[in-house]
Amino acid sequence: DVKVTQSSRYLVKRTGEKVFLECVQDMDHENMFWYRQDPGLGLRLIYFSYDVKMKEKGDIPEGYSVSREKKERFSLILESASTNQTSMYLCASSKRGAGLVGANVLTFGAGSRLTVL
Amino acid sequence: AQSVTQLGSHVSVSEGALVLLRCNYSSSVPPYLFWYVQYPNQGLQLLLKYTSAATLVKGINGFEAEFKKSETSFHLTKPSAHMSDAAEYFCAVSPDTGRRALTFGSGTRLQVQP
Repeated sequence: DVKVTQSSRYLVKRTGEKVFLECVQDMDHENMFWYRQDPGLGLRLIYFSYDVKMKEKGDIPEGYSVSREKKERFSLILESASTNQTSMYLCASSKRGAGLVGANVLTFGAGSRLTVL
Repeated sequence: AQSVTQLGSHVSVSEGALVLLRCNYSSSVPPYLFWYVQYPNQGLQLLLKYTSAATLVKGINGFEAEFKKSETSFHLTKPSAHMSDAAEYFCAVSPDTGRRALTFGSGTRLQVQP
């Protein structure tokens, strides 16, 4: 019954490494999102995508990029990981629906906890 | 731009006591408001959603929230806490322009004491 799958639950990387976080959803959702979760800061939006090959910057896109080549898959890329990118990363998806992108219910993955040494 | 403030990063209640988690929002347009819950080592799941159909919204697991426009609030309540309610709770508000995403609050961790 898993609907949003994040391929890695725990990763440990070294400073300067290139990191890929993968997210796949099986609900045929148009919208996909990457959030970062840190204690006391809640969830902060990194990037989102409202269609294949389309992306929009969120509140904290610096140091990150994304790729959406297929509707079901949304990848987050850290080109050169740094220690301040140690965090929990949450992927989510939602149907397009009518109205605003952010008006629809999000379905979240279980998260990927990244540690950068 | 829209924003959400959750008052109290940690709330502790006794089992059977009332749960009250506070959320205030700001938005330039009538908002959609959400409460999500995160259990340990899991992603977030929807508790309830306000879409202007009714000011009192009932969610899963006995939770409900009341939209009060005059107070710009959307507080989450449950009459009687259960040990299984221990989790982190996030309030979120929809964007006030087209192509944006939900804005989340900083979260409130609920502890339930036996």
